[in-house]
Parts: sequence; structure tokens; C-alpha cells
Amino acid sequence: QKEVEQNSGPLSVPEGAIASLNCTYSDRGSQSFFWYRQYSGKSPELIMSIYSNGDKEDGRFTAQLNKASQYVSLLIRDSQPSDSATYLCAVNVYSGGGADGLTFGKGTHLIIQP
Amino acid sequence: ETGVTQSPTHLIKTRGQQVTLRCSSQSGHNTVSWYQQALGQGPQFIFQYYREEENGRGNFPPRFSGLQFPNYSSELNVNALELDDSALYLCASSLGDYRLQETQYFGPGTRLLVL
Repeated sequence: QKEVEQNSGPLSVPEGAIASLNCTYSDRGSQSFFWYRQYSGKSPELIMSIYSNGDKEDGRFTAQLNKASQYVSLLIRDSQPSDSATYLCAVNVYSGGGADGLTFGKGTHLIIQP
Repeated sequence: ETGVTQSPTHLIKTRGQQVTLRCSSQSGHNTVSWYQQALGQGPQFIFQYYREEENGRGNFPPRFSGLQFPNYSSELNVNALELDDSALYLCASSLGDYRLQETQYFGPGTRLLVL
């Protein structure tokens, strides 16, 4: 059973600070990892993808992956009120059989306080 | 904008009815995946199609079925609707075969309410 765990929050961060979002996954065969942002009533929007151990930076966002610890995180620097949303961690596993789709966590609700 | 569109945006049905939801993928994207997202939950994988063939399915009963067409459009059909089918239905397109583990881009979703 593939599982992706996230703290549901809410996580409250002051404007301009760093927001740190965490995710753990159960399947060691997981090979690709994604962070999506979802505003209330909207569909998920891709923020970052990461495939290899280490850090990947894109603007104010940094994704960190540690496959040994089965842990992936997202850092948001200089947090803005527009970053207030639910952040979904998603994992893709290729098990050698058919497609398994993305396995999502329940999401972390992030609130940036002005 | 992801270039993925879905219709309708909202739909109300009664228990026992059948529903068809539609998706238009990005041009050139050969893979389409469908997800169900209940309130307060992450999306759950329903099934995936690659070049008009189903190549993977999640833990959903056979009354959930789909089709993919050569023009990058696809359908999700749900028969014998149940109250628990009320959810946001999302389609996502990606470029190649699932083994490439490429990014999936989501459409705006169809919100289904079953009464």
C-alpha cells in the first residue's frame, strides 16, 4: 500500500519568512516527486518536480529530496500572501507493471500572515 | 494555463444515474489520467490511458470507465451513481508513456454533486 503523509496544518507563516513543507512516503520504489499548489475550489497547479537526491531551486521555491529517509520537502522563501493555499505532495512509482498514477498526500494548508 | 480543458465545470445528478465527463488534453500529450478528489483529501487515481489503451487502474469499481480518442480528448463515465461519488473530478495530461514518469498537468476539474 503506497502512502504519502503530510501534516495537514494549518501552517501559519509571517509574510517574508520561509515556509517549510514536509512529506514522507512509504514506497521505496518511488522515483519521481512533485509538489502541486491548490487554491480553494481550483485544480492542482505544478510548483516543482524532483527526481534525484538533493536540492532543486526554481525562483523562491526549493525542493529537497532524500530517498534514503523517504522524505521530500518544499521551501518557499520570502513568503507572500498569494502563497496561501494547500500544497499537495505527489509521488510516482513505476513498479514494472501498469501505470499506478500519482499517489497524493492530503495536503498541507499554508497561511501567510500579512 | 495548462492547456487542459474539462467540461462541464459543475454537474448535479441523482443517485443511480449515469454521467459522462470530458477532457481535452494538451496537443501532443498521449497520456491522460483521471483522478477523484473528495473534499479535504488529495486526488485519488482512477485510471490512465495511453494512445487510446487503458494502461493502469486504481482502486475504483468497474462502474468507472473511460475512453481516450485520437484527437487528445477523453471521457470518464460513471454508472449507477452513488452519494459518495460526489467529488471534484480531475483529468491530467502528460507527454509520453507512464514509464517516463513525466509531469502531469491538470485541467480545471468537474465538480459533481450526487443527490
